[in-house]
Amino acid sequence: QKEVEQNSGPLSVPEGAIASLNCTYSDRGSQSFFWYRQYSGKSPELIMFIYSNGDKEDGRFTAQLNKASQYVSLLIRDSQPSDSATYLCAFLDSNYQLIWGAGTKLIIKP
Amino acid sequence: DTGVSQDPRHKITKRGQNVTFRCDPISEHNRLYWYRQTLGQGPEFLTYFQNEAQLEKSRLLSDRFSAERPKGSFSTLEIQRTEQGDSAMYLCASSLITDGYTFGSGTRLTVV
Repeated sequence: QKEVEQNSGPLSVPEGAIASLNCTYSDRGSQSFFWYRQYSGKSPELIMFIYSNGDKEDGRFTAQLNKASQYVSLLIRDSQPSDSATYLCAFLDSNYQLIWGAGTKLIIKP
Repeated sequence: DTGVSQDPRHKITKRGQNVTFRCDPISEHNRLYWYRQTLGQGPEFLTYFQNEAQLEKSRLLSDRFSAERPKGSFSTLEIQRTEQGDSAMYLCASSLITDGYTFGSGTRLTVV
């Protein structure tokens, strides 16, 4: 059974602080990992993808991948109230289908 | 190309009626996916197409659900004899095979 585990939250972070979201996955063969942001009542929006071990930075977002430990994380620096959303982690399986976590709800407090 | 389009955005139907949703993917994407999502849950896979071929259908999907993608372009998802448990957001996404998905805005179905 291919699985993605995420803490459902809510994770509450003060405005301006770093929000850290974590995800573990079961399929050691996974090569591609994705973070989606989903606002309430809206569809998921791709914000980051990472294929290689280490860090990948894009603006205020940093994705971190550790294949040996089978976890991927998302850091959001200088958190803004507009970052309040549910963040979904997913990986591509061997059939190139996305396997999804249930998401972590993030709340940025002004 | 403005992304993935779904129609309608909202649908309210009486239990037992049939409904059909449409999805227009990004034109250069060869894969098209249908998902269902309920509050507090991640997207639940329903089915996907590669070009015009339907390659996989979720075992959780009853035979009341059917999807088509004629000519490998737009796709339709039909639900026959709707039940209250079918109320959800129905999401369509498209992709190139090895990339992440781009989602449409979704169709919110309410069965009363």
